[in-house]
Amino acid sequence: EPEVTQTPSHQVTQMGQEVILRCVPISNHLYFYWYRQILGQKVEFLVSFYNNEISEKSEIFDDQFSVERPDGSNFTLKIRSTKLEDSAMYFCASRPFSGSSYNEQFFGPGTRLTVL
Amino acid sequence: GDSVTQMEGPVTLSEEAFLTINCTYTATGYPSLFWYVQYPGEGLQLLLKATKADDKGSNKGFEATYRKETTSFHLEKGSVQVSDSAVYFCALIPNDYKLSFGAGTTVTVRA
Repeated sequence: EPEVTQTPSHQVTQMGQEVILRCVPISNHLYFYWYRQILGQKVEFLVSFYNNEISEKSEIFDDQFSVERPDGSNFTLKIRSTKLEDSAMYFCASRPFSGSSYNEQFFGPGTRLTVL
Repeated sequence: GDSVTQMEGPVTLSEEAFLTINCTYTATGYPSLFWYVQYPGEGLQLLLKATKADDKGSNKGFEATYRKETTSFHLEKGSVQVSDSAVYFCALIPNDYKLSFGAGTTVTVRA
């Protein structure tokens, strides 16, 4: 069964450094998302992406964040200058354009980001 | 705005006990409702969903019914197993397809 994959599974970085989190969505999906979950808190929406542009972003997704689909398979989240409060689990998700699962988001296993 | 409120945990049960996790929502329009499960050390997996009023989602012995009149989507399982120990998240998608999650309920099942 196709699945969303994310790399790395765990990233440790120093405050102020740039990080890129990578995701490979399910191949025929057209909508892509990033969410984050700070330890012990709820999962929060960051951004949605469709047709090579951001379709919606939350107030968390400030100028330090960016997303990109550099090729036909990867979907990346970049944090330009990490802060301690960026430490969280980051989940990528993708959704098909149509079909019985059109409103169902399929999640990857997550990348745990630790900012020191 | 759209939001989900779910029962706070943690919940600790014995094997074969009955599990209920309450979930209520606030949304404009007619959202789709979901339960996601997060097993220890793993990502989010869709457990079940319902897309319109009175729909019942079911999977792995879990059930939830979309109740528009009470704006609820309570999760139930008649006989839990140790392997059901996980964090359960209620979530909704309003028309814009951005998921809104509840805070999560940690369930621990003892043998």
